[in-house]
Amino acid sequence: GQQLNQSPQSMFIQEGEDVSMNCTSSSIFNTWLWYKQDPGEGPVLLIALYKAGELTSNGRLTAQFGITRKDSFLNISASIPSDVGIYFCAGQLGHTGNQFYFGTGTSLTVIP
Amino acid sequence: DAGITQSPRHKVTETGTPVTLRCHQTENHRYMYWYRQDPGHGLRLIHYSYGVKDTDKGEVSDGYSVSRSKTEDFLLTLESATSSQTSVYFCAISLGLDYEQYFGPGTRLTVT
Repeated sequence: GQQLNQSPQSMFIQEGEDVSMNCTSSSIFNTWLWYKQDPGEGPVLLIALYKAGELTSNGRLTAQFGITRKDSFLNISASIPSDVGIYFCAGQLGHTGNQFYFGTGTSLTVIP
Repeated sequence: DAGITQSPRHKVTETGTPVTLRCHQTENHRYMYWYRQDPGHGLRLIHYSYGVKDTDKGEVSDGYSVSRSKTEDFLLTLESATSSQTSVYFCAISLGLDYEQYFGPGTRLTVT
């Protein structure tokens, strides 16, 4: 299957700090999705990106579709304790109708 | 929250026994998916369905079969469970292959 490399694998930050994480691939993707997963629950969709260069916000979250179409970035501003969880990216290859491939996740811990 | 339920939420079974997991949606989405989630791997697609009685294989379909006799229900069957099928299984739905996916709460399956 396709490799989606997420980094960092884990982050420990102080409450109030900003967070940046990214997802990269050697292949071109035409859609990027970002999810958050809490322990014992299913992933929850945060942001969907459909065009290269697209920048989309959802509250304190901002995600960007990389201009090369091989990467995507997620930023969280002014982190709060409820931001704790695992963040996954998912990408759909450059041909429509292909399945989505998922990254292995970034684990975020927010220290109050 | 998307109207997706999975049953059972937890199951322990013995090697060689058949197991069926159920996904039920109330959103009338055409596409339904089964994924498995394992440490060190992103979510991996097992099978998906694009309509009643219409299904296709994902990247890790060996040892699994699916059925969809109604729009709202998608069943995943392990004909003869093996320890390598111990995992957390997630169902997802979407309007189309190119659209964002919404996930259920998951089923934790342990094969002893």
